[in-house]
Amino acid sequence: QKEVEQDPGPLSVPEGAIVSLNCTYSNSAFQYFMWYRQYSRKGPELLMYTYSSGNKEDGRFTAQVDKSSKYISLFIRDSQPSDSATYLCAYQGAQKLVFGQGTRLTINP
Amino acid sequence: DTGVSQDPRHKITKRGQNVTFRCDPISEHNRLYWYRQTLGQGPEFLTYFQNEAQLEKSRLLSDRFSAERPKGSFSTLEIQRTEQGDSAMYLCASSSRDRNYEQYFGPGTRLTVT
Repeated sequence: QKEVEQDPGPLSVPEGAIVSLNCTYSNSAFQYFMWYRQYSRKGPELLMYTYSSGNKEDGRFTAQVDKSSKYISLFIRDSQPSDSATYLCAYQGAQKLVFGQGTRLTINP
Repeated sequence: DTGVSQDPRHKITKRGQNVTFRCDPISEHNRLYWYRQTLGQGPEFLTYFQNEAQLEKSRLLSDRFSAERPKGSFSTLEIQRTEQGDSAMYLCASSSRDRNYEQYFGPGTRLTVT
């Protein structure tokens, strides 16, 4: 079993839709969870991080962690074509980040 | 503020050649990380430094790979006797020691081994 499982998609939605991206993880000891956005042929860009359980909101983005089910989510409201990218979830394992496979998202105008 | 920079951005080399990549972290960050990313996968950890000390190496880092950070500022990653399986994006990230969950990535070096 992979430490972080993420549906690779691809996921295609119309502009303005609410997008839900999800990951599951295996180790309940993890405390910090991150979401990165990666445009094609670019480095990953840190969007948000969440500590332990709960929600964190930043503009149109909301990150959610449910430790009881080992589930992390990223919601994008009012999605824009510029949100089209690969979204990577990650947790902090000791000193390094452990990433999911990434979900490729396309927002259609 | 200049973010993490990497050089070169692209490298094409023939199998068996040696290559070296450079990473310049965010200036106030004392931690520097190297990751490797292949197509359709998330980045995988290779190694990290705190200042000039290399504190952890992944099993992915074979004997052909070596990384240095001699003065605790920029870092180099060298691959000797490259193989086609080394073709990937090599990513560098940096963080402060206290907030090592906030890792900021550079644009990456895309290596193609022919």
